[in-house]
Amino acid sequence: NAGVMQNPRHLVRRRGQEARLRCSPMKGHSHVYWYRQLPEEGLKFMVYLQKENIIDESGMPKERFSAEFPKEGPSILRIQQVVRGDSAAYFCASSPSRGHEQFFGPGTRLTVL
Amino acid sequence: AQTVTQSQPEMSVQEAETVTLSCTYDTSESDYYLFWYKQPPSRQMILVIRQEAYKQQNATENRFSVNFQKAAKSFSLKISDSQLGDAAMYFCAYRPRRGGADGLTFGKGTHLIIQP
Repeated sequence: NAGVMQNPRHLVRRRGQEARLRCSPMKGHSHVYWYRQLPEEGLKFMVYLQKENIIDESGMPKERFSAEFPKEGPSILRIQQVVRGDSAAYFCASSPSRGHEQFFGPGTRLTVL
Repeated sequence: AQTVTQSQPEMSVQEAETVTLSCTYDTSESDYYLFWYKQPPSRQMILVIRQEAYKQQNATENRFSVNFQKAAKSFSLKISDSQLGDAAMYFCAYRPRRGGADGLTFGKGTHLIIQP
């Protein structure tokens, strides 16, 4: 049973470009959570999605960031017009139902030059 | 808003000894979950142990145990017989049990060093 998959593991973008981060939840999981980890910090919750629905986006920056979890395919975290402050590790977690334990992926390290 | 505080940025322990990592939290909720996660250099987040606030008994997983003091809002992690593979960042995390609060709130972490 494969765990949560994230790709790419490392992503380098120049300022102003777009970054797309992908997350495939564990088999049987339909709930996805995105977190951001800045250097020397703990993880910060960004958004919680179920298939085709954003349930809680209270931690998402108001501009440039968006997330989706389509009926088919992985969940996508999209960052438009990246800035150096977006450099961080982005983690995805999944769970089989709301309130259940969250299982984390290996993360995507985004570097903005 | 809930907050989680880990007051020890770094801890060091001799192999085979016991170490305790501290965590305090602030919440107005009465029912919630508390977690300890381990993040080794690979950066993978690994769940170490979980505690449900309504359970008075402290959780235990092999060499890992917690001291949960609900009134004091304290949730420390004890690692017995420390091993080299325990070296990692350790994060304390909190989540209310009620619906509508799905994201975990993490502390800033404690870097655990194991000295051979």
